[in-house]
Amino acid sequence: AQSVSQHNHHVILSEAASLELGCNYSYGGTVNLFWYVQYPGQHLQLLLKYFSGDPLVKGIKGFEAEFIKSKFSFNLRKPSVQWSDTAEYFCAGSGTYKYIFGTGTRLKVLA
Amino acid sequence: DVKVTQSSRYLVKRTGEKVFLECVQDMDHENMFWYRQDPGLGLRLIYFSYDVKMKEKGDIPEGYSVSREKKERFSLILESASTNQTSMYLCASSRRDRGHQTSYEQYFGPGTRLTVT
Repeated sequence: AQSVSQHNHHVILSEAASLELGCNYSYGGTVNLFWYVQYPGQHLQLLLKYFSGDPLVKGIKGFEAEFIKSKFSFNLRKPSVQWSDTAEYFCAGSGTYKYIFGTGTRLKVLA
Repeated sequence: DVKVTQSSRYLVKRTGEKVFLECVQDMDHENMFWYRQDPGLGLRLIYFSYDVKMKEKGDIPEGYSVSREKKERFSLILESASTNQTSMYLCASSRRDRGHQTSYEQYFGPGTRLTVT
C-alpha cells in the first residue's frame, strides 16, 4: 500500500540549530515528493518538490531536501533555523491523481 | 498567483443540518481535492475530482458527497452534519500531466473551520 510517514511529531530547537525532519515513502512506480509548510494561522504552502533529476532539491527560505531512492526517504533540512520557521511541516507523495500526506511535524523554534 | 478560495473561514452548524462548503480555483486546474485536517492525524483525503463531473472517493468519504459541475468549482456536502465532522476542511487544486497521469504540486485554500454542535 502507498504510504508516507513522518517519524518526528514534535521538534523543539533553538535558533541557529540545524534541522532535519524525516520522511519515508512507500510507492510503486513513479512518485513525486513534496514538502509543505503551514505557518500559524496561514494556509498550507509548498516548500519544495521533487519530480526527477538532481536528488538534492532546494526550496524557499533556505530549505532543502534529498531524495534517497535506496532508503525511500525524502528528508527536509535547513542548516540554521530561525524563530520564524515555527510551523507545521508535511511531507507528501503523489503517483496517479491521489496525494498521500504524512501526519505532520510541529516545529517550535525558541528565540 | 494561483488562488484557491473557500466560501467561509468559520462555520457553525447544528447536528443534522445539511452543510455546503464551496471551493473555487482560478488557474484552470484539472484536479481538485477536499481534505480534513485534524491534530495528530495530518491531512486526510475525503474526495477528489480529476475532471468536471468526475469524482473519486478518498480515504474517508463516509458522510460526505461532492459536486463538480464546473471546472473551477468543487463543492463538499455534509448530508447530515454530525459532531464528529467538526474539523478544519481544506480545498486544494493542481495541474495534471495528461501524458503521465501524475499530479503536480497542490495549491491550498485558507480552510473552513467547521463546528457542529
